[in-house]
Amino acid sequence: NAGVTQTPKFRVLKTGQSMTLLCAQDMNHEYMYWYRQDPGMGLRLIHYSVGEGTTAKGEVPDGYNVSRLKKQNFLLGLESAAPSQTSVYFCASRAGGSYNEQFFGPGTRLTVL
Amino acid sequence: QKEVEQDPGPLSVPEGAIVSLNCTYSNSAFQYFMWYRQYSRKGPELLMYTYSSGNKEDGRFTAQVDKSSKYISLFIRDSQPSDSATYLCAMINYKLTFGKGTLLTVNP
Repeated sequence: NAGVTQTPKFRVLKTGQSMTLLCAQDMNHEYMYWYRQDPGMGLRLIHYSVGEGTTAKGEVPDGYNVSRLKKQNFLLGLESAAPSQTSVYFCASRAGGSYNEQFFGPGTRLTVL
Repeated sequence: QKEVEQDPGPLSVPEGAIVSLNCTYSNSAFQYFMWYRQYSRKGPELLMYTYSSGNKEDGRFTAQVDKSSKYISLFIRDSQPSDSATYLCAMINYKLTFGKGTLLTVNP
């Protein structure tokens, strides 16, 4: 049982390049989330999904797109990377219901030059 | 006013000290209150959660919620160097809202 995994662990991009971050969970969770974590800013929600085929905007969605084609995967895309998107990105998932523990992945460190 | 306020620290204590970490919040709709621990270069992991006002104890950790004051605390007794991490409070109404985290260092 791997829990929540993220690919890649590290990446360096040039301004304007695109990339996709992959999140996978093997716990059959309904809800999945993408956060970014920056010094002094804490964890900020980018996008989230409450089930396969659904996505919704979080607190800081601009410049990102997401897709949830399969229940176990949640993809985060950067179409045209900017230096302001340099951050650590965390994926999380949880089961449905009013409260259930949110499990986090190990993070992806992205640098945009 | 931000929904959740947390002093970022850093906080440095000697081994064996009692540590008190705190958050205040403004949204009275928050129902569940959590503390996450995040080691350096790792993802956050749930440490404790509470639903109602009062205390909840788990080993050396005690979570306290005061809904009337909109104030939550995490106490760590007999702190150990392995407790050195960033501690994030978090709260749920319809979504999870995090504090910015407090960096704690426990010195041997």
